[in-house]
This record gives sequence, C-alpha cells and structure tokens, in this order.
Amino acid sequence: SQQGEEDPQALSIQEGENATMNCSYKTSINNLQWYRQNSGRGLVHLILIRSNEREKHSGRLRVTLDTSKKSSSLLITASRAADTASYFCATDAGDNYGQNFVFGPGTRLSVLP
Amino acid sequence: NAGVTQTPKFRVLKTGQSMTLLCAQDMNHEYMYWYRQDPGMGLRLIHYSVGEGTTAKGEVPDGYNVSRLKKQNFLLGLESAAPSQTSVYFCASSYGRVRAGYTFGSGTRLTVV
Repeated sequence: SQQGEEDPQALSIQEGENATMNCSYKTSINNLQWYRQNSGRGLVHLILIRSNEREKHSGRLRVTLDTSKKSSSLLITASRAADTASYFCATDAGDNYGQNFVFGPGTRLSVLP
Repeated sequence: NAGVTQTPKFRVLKTGQSMTLLCAQDMNHEYMYWYRQDPGMGLRLIHYSVGEGTTAKGEVPDGYNVSRLKKQNFLLGLESAAPSQTSVYFCASSYGRVRAGYTFGSGTRLTVV
C-alpha cells in the first residue's frame, strides 16, 4: 500500500518561476522527507520535517506540513534548469517509527531555460 | 567520501540465473535498505537491516534474500531470477531511525530476459 502520493505527476515551468509539489498521505506519521532524483541517479535527501513542525526551509526550498489535512508541499523558488529532476516524498508508518519510509511515485519537474 | 557504493551498475540475467548485488557504505551507518524502483510506482522496500547480523523483510521480499555479515556491507541475492525482477535496485543507509535521511547509492539496473 502506498502511503504518500505526489501531485502533480509532472510539472513543466520556465526558469525563474516557482515550482510547487504536493504530497498527500493516508495515516498518521512521525516524519516526512523529500528527496530529489536526477535522471539515472540515486535519490538525494532534501529535507526532513517532523510531525510537530509546520514549515522548514533550506536554501531555495520550503516545505510545509499540515497534519490535519495529511499533506505536505515542497516549494522551489526561482527555479533553475538544474532543478529538473523527479521529486519524491517519503513518510514513515506511524506505528513503525523510523524503520521504514514509504515513497510515493514522484513528481517529474522540468525547468525549461 | 564514497558514501554508498553499489556494484554492479548494470546486469542482464537469463531467467533462472542467480546473482548477488553488493552494497557498501563507509559512513558507519547502522541501518541499510534495499529498494526496487519501477516506473510509476516509486520505491518499494525489499529488505532492510538495523545492524550487523540482522535482516528483516520489507514490502516486497519474495524472490530475494539478503545478508549483513559486516556492518558496512549489505548483499541482495536473487536465487532464480524472473522477468518480474527487472528493475532498478537502490541501496540506502542511515544512522538509525530518521535523524538525517537516507543516503542512496547510484543504483543497479537489472534486466532479466
């Protein structure tokens, strides 16, 4: 069963624009993570947000978490061509703290020059 | 600063053949994981290990075996390969629980014909 699911499946924007991706999940969580995957490469960890946090920033990245709606969003500001990648959210099963993160199918982001 | 290294990077197997995928990490991480990635399905956990000498089943363990004889190595074995095991396999490691996210290897692309 898939815990987290990203939306949209694919997103295409111009360089300099902001990109927003959403993740919805079904059951309560302890933590949620966002990862980036460039084509043909492994996943790279971006941000971890805990269930008692509402917002975190890292450079041009901003992640929000709304546990009442069971959703998270990843905002990339002032996007660059190098941001072209797939982005995944990963949630831990609330009753299995930290052991297994379940990954969604991802959002494919294309940033056009 | 190698991080997580996977070998081989590519492999083609015939149905019924066996092989072992090797994952090595040099970060002294306790936890190690094997995932498979298929189009449109995100990553699915095959097996994981919470320390040397321990292994546990993930979401899709059938047809695979693992061993963690040394802390730095996590081996994934396919005893009798099937076309359904055609996938990209990723190894990941973490300190334990969820402090800083997972570090992923660059993947092994396996084709079973």
